[in-house]
Amino acid sequence: QQQVKQSPQSLIVQKGGISIINCAYENTAFDYFPWYQQFPGKGPALLIAIRPDVSEKKEGRFTISFNKSAKQFSLHIMDSQPGDSATYFCAASDLYGGSQGNLIFGKGTKLSVKP
Amino acid sequence: EPEVTQTPSHQVTQMGQEVILRCVPISNHLYFYWYRQILGQKVEFLVSFYNNEISEKSEIFDDQFSVERPDGSNFTLKIRSTKLEDSAMYFCASSERGQEGNSPLHFGNGTRLTVT
Repeated sequence: QQQVKQSPQSLIVQKGGISIINCAYENTAFDYFPWYQQFPGKGPALLIAIRPDVSEKKEGRFTISFNKSAKQFSLHIMDSQPGDSATYFCAASDLYGGSQGNLIFGKGTKLSVKP
Repeated sequence: EPEVTQTPSHQVTQMGQEVILRCVPISNHLYFYWYRQILGQKVEFLVSFYNNEISEKSEIFDDQFSVERPDGSNFTLKIRSTKLEDSAMYFCASSERGQEGNSPLHFGNGTRLTVT
């Protein structure tokens, strides 16, 4: 029940296309859903995050869509660029339950954007 | 922009040896964390630390592991007797507040631990 399932494992998109990565969770206590971007040799960096009181959050080319009833959330990268090539991790946490930094990560999606 | 720094970047040790992984969190941050990532697998939470004590730990964080903030700037992870399965990338992270209030985790670049 603590798992976050992420798909696809890898994704190849043409420059200018839309990249879509999906995550699903079981624990209804999760109330914080961040996405992290990781480049080779670097630590994960927070990209965008959402709380379950909204269904969508947009920051520039990055959008999180959240479906509470389906317990799913997704990352959309519009106008994908070669510089977006990285590994993307979704995560979830139970903040209201007092979790302090215990993020449950998905297994990651390796995105390659072809020029 | 302030960063979380970790040393060393790569540590090779023999099975059964003790290792200490070091981290310097961002200076005004109050919450500190260790995560690990076994090669090709997901990032896993180990422990969170606040006000000089562990606030939360995972089942991975057994008696072989300990954390310490020996001074005002360093945050360390000690593995007492390393096992082959401890080989992983270890990430330190810090946040200004707890995760509520939109205080994101800032990760360092990791220490790659190889146990032979």
